[in-house]
Amino acid sequence: GNSVTQMEGPVTLSEEAFLTINCTYTATGYPSLFWYVQYPGEGLQLLLKATKADDKGSNKGFEATYRKETTSFHLEKGSVQVSDSAVYFCAVSGNTPLVFGKGTRLSVIA
Amino acid sequence: DGGITQSPKYLFRKEGQNVTLSCEQNLNHDAMYWYRQDPGQGLRLIYYSQIVNDFQKGDIAEGYSVSREKKESFPLTVTSAQKNPTAFYLCASSNSPPSGTNNEQYFGPGTRLTVT
Repeated sequence: GNSVTQMEGPVTLSEEAFLTINCTYTATGYPSLFWYVQYPGEGLQLLLKATKADDKGSNKGFEATYRKETTSFHLEKGSVQVSDSAVYFCAVSGNTPLVFGKGTRLSVIA
Repeated sequence: DGGITQSPKYLFRKEGQNVTLSCEQNLNHDAMYWYRQDPGQGLRLIYYSQIVNDFQKGDIAEGYSVSREKKESFPLTVTSAQKNPTAFYLCASSNSPPSGTNNEQYFGPGTRLTVT
């Protein structure tokens, strides 16, 4: 079945630092890839997605590019803010219901 | 506003009691899902339903039951057979099939269940 591996946290950054959260996946066929964000005590919100190879998803300054050759979908942001502190989940869909990584907690300090 | 509602936000029960968690959506989505979230373990799929009166077991269905009598409602019952029921439970829905290639899901705010 499908699977997702994302970097373990927690990740602690200073405000305005560059963020990368690594995500790799295994899946057959032509899966879609997602990043979700979860703020404390809340449900998950879709942050961005990509549905085919070389697509770049972007939202709120976050970006991720669907790399089929390296089976990766790394999340990046050029300048993080305190308000970006949350848990980030990478997910893959295709042939099975959505499969999530274990999540990466990001803390941004002022 | 369209969305998914879960109630209550916090739920407390004594060990040995069954408890039912509510999930309602007004997005007109066919598919609905239940996940369990534990610290450090991400989300694990309990049950999902592609259409009314049909549902499938996920990865950790033991000790749980569901029903799907209406398109907008997908309640989850945590039975006394569930060995470790204390967790954060999330409901989701999608307008794409569960096994489709673009299974974008929308989530409710969650219910935190504590069993003592």
